[in-house]
Amino acid sequence: EAQVTQNPRYLITVTGKKLTVTCSQNMNHEYMSWYRQDPGLGLRQIYYSMNVEVTDKGDVPEGYKVSRKEKRNFPLILESPSPNQTSLYFCASSLSIGRRQETQYFGPGTRLLVL
Amino acid sequence: EDQVTQSPEALRLQEGESSSLNCSYTVSGLRGLFWYRQDPGKGPEFLFTLYSAGEEKEKERLKATLTKKESFLHITAPKPEDSATYLCAVHSSNYQLIWGAGTKLIIKP
Repeated sequence: EAQVTQNPRYLITVTGKKLTVTCSQNMNHEYMSWYRQDPGLGLRQIYYSMNVEVTDKGDVPEGYKVSRKEKRNFPLILESPSPNQTSLYFCASSLSIGRRQETQYFGPGTRLLVL
Repeated sequence: EDQVTQSPEALRLQEGESSSLNCSYTVSGLRGLFWYRQDPGKGPEFLFTLYSAGEEKEKERLKATLTKKESFLHITAPKPEDSATYLCAVHSSNYQLIWGAGTKLIIKP
């Protein structure tokens, strides 16, 4: 089954404790992206990757890191989480970015609470 | 500045009562407009892509249309299972996807 998986689905942590949220897709997609979703603000892009070893900042990259060492994986790293990073996070992937934006497939989401 | 605005924020309808959701946009060089459906606690699910003014697409009770400034998602004779948040996103010329805040649709039986 074609899908985007994220782990963990739920996470409670404390300020300053490094964490990683994994994202994996099995569709051989080139483009992957991380979003956060907060009430009233909609989806905001954190980082995106157009291919292996190519990453770029989205709208709200501060406090986050990403890496793209393999095509299928795109982990999101919070080196020193703070309470304002409490949010619902989504990973997404699409075939390519190209001349036309391809349909994005979203993971199930990771709900993060930073105390 | 590129911007996407959805209205209304929330819409309550009776089952069978048709209506429309609006997505207004200002972007430099539209490369595509997307509609997604999102159920509570789940990731957005793709519905439609529209690329040029005048284009229309349909799926069951939903129909999406596009002009040079806005898109409408028309819902005909909705059912309770159509209740969800509907998201609009616009792909601009710099390959960024800009998202609206969504319209929460509630269909009462």
